[in-house]
Parts: sequence; structure tokens; C-alpha cells
Amino acid sequence: NAGVTQTPKFQVLKTGQSMTLQCAQDMNHEYMSWYRQDPGMGLRLIHYSVGAGITDQGEVPNGYNVSRSTTEDFPLRLLSAAPSQTSVYFCASSYDDRGQPQHFGDGTRLSIL
Amino acid sequence: ELKVEQNPLFLSMQEGKNYTIYCNYSTTSDRLYWYRQDPGKSLESLFVLLSNGAVKQEGRLMASLDTKARLSTLHITAAVHDLSATYFCAVDGTQGGSEKLVFGKGTKLTVNP
Repeated sequence: NAGVTQTPKFQVLKTGQSMTLQCAQDMNHEYMSWYRQDPGMGLRLIHYSVGAGITDQGEVPNGYNVSRSTTEDFPLRLLSAAPSQTSVYFCASSYDDRGQPQHFGDGTRLSIL
Repeated sequence: ELKVEQNPLFLSMQEGKNYTIYCNYSTTSDRLYWYRQDPGKSLESLFVLLSNGAVKQEGRLMASLDTKARLSTLHITAAVHDLSATYFCAVDGTQGGSEKLVFGKGTKLTVNP
């Protein structure tokens, strides 16, 4: 049981490049979320999904796109990378709406030059 | 807009001492989560608090929730070095699920011998 798997673990991009951060879970969780973590800022929600085919914006969605074609996968796309998107990105999933805690992946450390 | 404030943000304490971390939030919610993060690592779920008056304990950590005061506390008893980490509280902003959490900025705890 792998839990939540994020790839890549590290990435360096140039300004203007695009890329996709992958997130997969094998726990059959309906809820999945993407957060970014910046020093002194805690975690901020980018986008989330309550099930396949359903996504919604979080607190800081600008510059990011998501899709949820399957229950297992929830990729995050950076459309045109900017230095302000340098951060650590965490994907998380949870089972239901009865207060189950979110399970977090190991994170992707992204630097935009 | 839901806001979550933790204090203190930095806490240095000696082994064997007791201390409390506070988490205040601005709007009604009865779902609150505590997570632990070690440096460079992912987040680990510690406690899920789902109702007013809820109290959970694990080892030297005890968490409680007062929904009327919009306050949760994380109490540390007889601290040991292994408790050194950053602790986050997170509040469910949707009144129905755990997919849209708002996190505090975290409390970085250092336990000194």
C-alpha cells in the first residue's frame, strides 16, 4: 500500500516553462487536494477535488490547472512557470466527509529560475 | 473567510517541561485537525477533533477543541527531544468535508536537553 505518491520529488524549471506534477493514491479516496508550502506561510490550498470529474479552486489557484479523470490521479499543471511559484507542493487525499484526516504525499520541491 | 491563527509560532523548551500551543479560528467549524511535520518531510496526522469538548491524547500530546470559543489547544507534557517538529492545526472550512482545509502557519517546537 503506497499511499499518496508524488513525482517528481525535485524539479528546476526556467521561467515560462510548463510542467505537470503528478499525484496518485491507491486508497480509493474520493477527496484529493493540492497545497503549496512556503516559509512562514503554512500550507495554502491550490485546488481540490471531491471525486472524479469534479474540481474546484482553493485559496491560491492562479497559474495552476488540475483535472481528475480517475479516482486515483490528480495532476497539477503549471501553465507558465514564474519565480513566485517556487515552493514545496504537497498532494493529499482523504476518504470521506466524516472527518477523516488527509494523507499527504512526500512533496515536490520546485524551483523556478 | 476562514482564518486560522496559531501561537506561538516558535517555541523553545527544555526537556521535562509542559507547554501549550494555541489554535484560534475565525468562523464556525466543528472539525479541526492537528498535524506534525519534521524538517524536509511530509505531514503526519496527529489528531482529529470533531465536536465541541473533544479531547484526544497520544503519548505526551493532548489536543482539545472548544467550538464556542473557536479554540483548540495542543498540550505537551514532559517534553522530550523527539517531539521537536513543526505542528500545524487545520480547520475544515466547508462544514461538511475535509477536502478544503485552512492551515495555521505552524508552531516550530524545539525541545532542548
